Amino acid sequence: SYVLTQPPSVSVAPGQTARIPCGGNNIGSKSVHWYQQKPGQVPVLVVYDDSDRPSGIPERFSGSNSGNTATLTISRVEAGDEADYYCQVWDTSSDHPVFGGGTKLTVL
Amino acid sequence: QVQLVESGGGLVKPGGSLRISCAASGFTFSDYYMSWIRQAPGKGLEWVSYSDSGTTVNYADSVKGRFTVSRDNAKNSLYLQMNSLRAEDTAVYYCARHQVGAGDFDYMDVWGKGTTVTVSS
Repeated sequence: SYVLTQPPSVSVAPGQTARIPCGGNNIGSKSVHWYQQKPGQVPVLVVYDDSDRPSGIPERFSGSNSGNTATLTISRVEAGDEADYYCQVWDTSSDHPVFGGGTKLTVL
Repeated sequence: QVQLVESGGGLVKPGGSLRISCAASGFTFSDYYMSWIRQAPGKGLEWVSYSDSGTTVNYADSVKGRFTVSRDNAKNSLYLQMNSLRAEDTAVYYCARHQVGAGDFDYMDVWGKGTTVTVSS
């Protein structure tokens, strides 16, 4: 089964840029999707197909994907961005979605 | 508006069974793959099972042989029958709608609020 690796935590000061990596074998050949889950809330899709944003998601959220690492970038971080972030791909060998372990973003 | 509402969660003893449901509204349910995704207390997201718009289903290895997913397109509903439950099945169970992404790689664009399943004696 395909494995996605995320750091448990990332910290950033307000107004700075947060970068959350998601590692996987040749992940650049897959489409990567990102979800935000605030405490006590339901996951929300923030980026799909590597770098597209659903309607209603601020332009501050962007994504990239190349080689063995995909990255969710949050510019001009705000206190309200504090949440757990999960990457997800489709594992073609087992034909089902796979999630990374999640990264807790702390706004200092 | 597009909505998914789960129900049927509760407390069940180890080895017991439970059936949870997901009611969909605001979209043509029969056109979409649907998944069950769970989250154990303090843990990350774990995909459990999906049902396509027809008869194809798939399961995580951790639940294969114990859980059965089904759907009733006439009732716009998705179900998960859970048998031989274990303590490690304790989680919030979310119902989620698939959307086809680039390269036919799906993502989940709509999630329900979840229903809590607790397996304990």
